[in-house]
Amino acid sequence: KAGVTQTPRYLIKTRGQQVTLSCSPISGHRSVSWYQQTPGQGLQFLFEYFSETQRNKGNFPGRFSGRQFSNSRSEMNVSTLELGDSALYLCASSLGSGGGGEKLFFGSGTQLSVL
Amino acid sequence: AQTVTQSQPEMSVQEAETVTLSCTYDTSENNYYLFWYKQPPSRQMILVIRQEAYKQQNATENRFSVNFQKAAKSFSLKISDSQLGDTAMYFCAFMMYNNNDMRFGAGTRLTVKP
Repeated sequence: KAGVTQTPRYLIKTRGQQVTLSCSPISGHRSVSWYQQTPGQGLQFLFEYFSETQRNKGNFPGRFSGRQFSNSRSEMNVSTLELGDSALYLCASSLGSGGGGEKLFFGSGTQLSVL
Repeated sequence: AQTVTQSQPEMSVQEAETVTLSCTYDTSENNYYLFWYKQPPSRQMILVIRQEAYKQQNATENRFSVNFQKAAKSFSLKISDSQLGDTAMYFCAFMMYNNNDMRFGAGTRLTVKP
């Protein structure tokens, strides 16, 4: 069974641009979550999608958005990039049973550098 | 708000020996889940072990076991017979019973020495 796939692995953008990251979950998983990892702030929850709907959201500005497609694949978009958005963005999938406590399976992340 | 604290930024252990990583958390909830994840240089987060707060029995997975002390809000990870492949960042994480928002500690960098 293929794992969680994130593309691209690396991305370099300049301030003010926008970026879209992609995540394909494990087959059969219906929930996709996104996390931002930085040396200063550590791992922070961005949002979770289930059945094409955002189910939970962390404390990030509106420049961070996402969506989920009918095949459970998800994209994350960051508009008007700032230097502080440089980070490793991790995607995680789970079965999406509706409750909490699920085992999250992570991809290898997309390393975004904003210049 | 739930917070997770890992007080050991770095640790090292000799191959084949045992090491314990510490984690404490703060919550007013009674039902929740606790996890340990490892992140090797490949950056992929790998689930090591999961504990349900309502279960008193400590979770074990092969060489990995936890010491879950609910009253003390402590959740330490013991790695027995350490192997070179155990070298990684280890993150303790908390999740509520009703959502998949995972809160992570700052991590402990573990080095296994030959």
